[in-house]
Amino acid sequence: GAVVSQHPSRVICKSGTSVKIECRSLDFQATTMFWYRQFPKQSLMLMATSNEGSKATYEQGVEKDKFLINHASLTLSTLTVTSAHPEDSSFYICSATLLRTAPNTEAFFGQGTRLTVV
Amino acid sequence: LAKTTQPISMDSYEGQEVNITCSHNNIATNDYITWYQQFPSQGPRFIIQGYKTKVTNEVASLFIPADRKSSTLSLPRVSLSDTAVYYCLVGDMDSNYQLIWGAGTKLIIKP
Repeated sequence: GAVVSQHPSRVICKSGTSVKIECRSLDFQATTMFWYRQFPKQSLMLMATSNEGSKATYEQGVEKDKFLINHASLTLSTLTVTSAHPEDSSFYICSATLLRTAPNTEAFFGQGTRLTVV
Repeated sequence: LAKTTQPISMDSYEGQEVNITCSHNNIATNDYITWYQQFPSQGPRFIIQGYKTKVTNEVASLFIPADRKSSTLSLPRVSLSDTAVYYCLVGDMDSNYQLIWGAGTKLIIKP
């Protein structure tokens, strides 16, 4: 199946610094990518929808100035957590949709990034 | 976007068949039903997808009644490695396939 690669898999940063997470679709072009956040023992929460060449659409309650999303190409979307604080520590996951003739449309997920802010 | 309801957790034993049922009473005409599996600290993995009746692949079967208000994921002969959280989602293929995640079902397989 299609592969979505997310990097880094884990990162520890100091409070106040910024962290960039990359999400790449390796063998297909993804016009739309999604960014999720998952706290321990909770479900995935959609943060934003990233469309290639346009501004991301953020879910209610997600600060767009804090979570900067760039989708500069059909295979790369980045999430930058700016001025990170301990409460931003979480598991961040990206996904990209491979649109095929229904019913075979699938969303492929990256491996996730464990962010710890100290 | 349709909301789904699943049992919070289930236990079973190796070699058994496990059925996880999901309710999606407000499913729309264009929505498909998809199940994902997630291991701790990993991204979700696609298991199976369907629209109606029965779908089967190499890892699972998906049963969808005529009214489509529920679906059942069937895992044949589970093993310890099937211990994971299973998510049922419904999504419209035409709306960027945006997925809204419920709590999922934590399946624990015992020896």
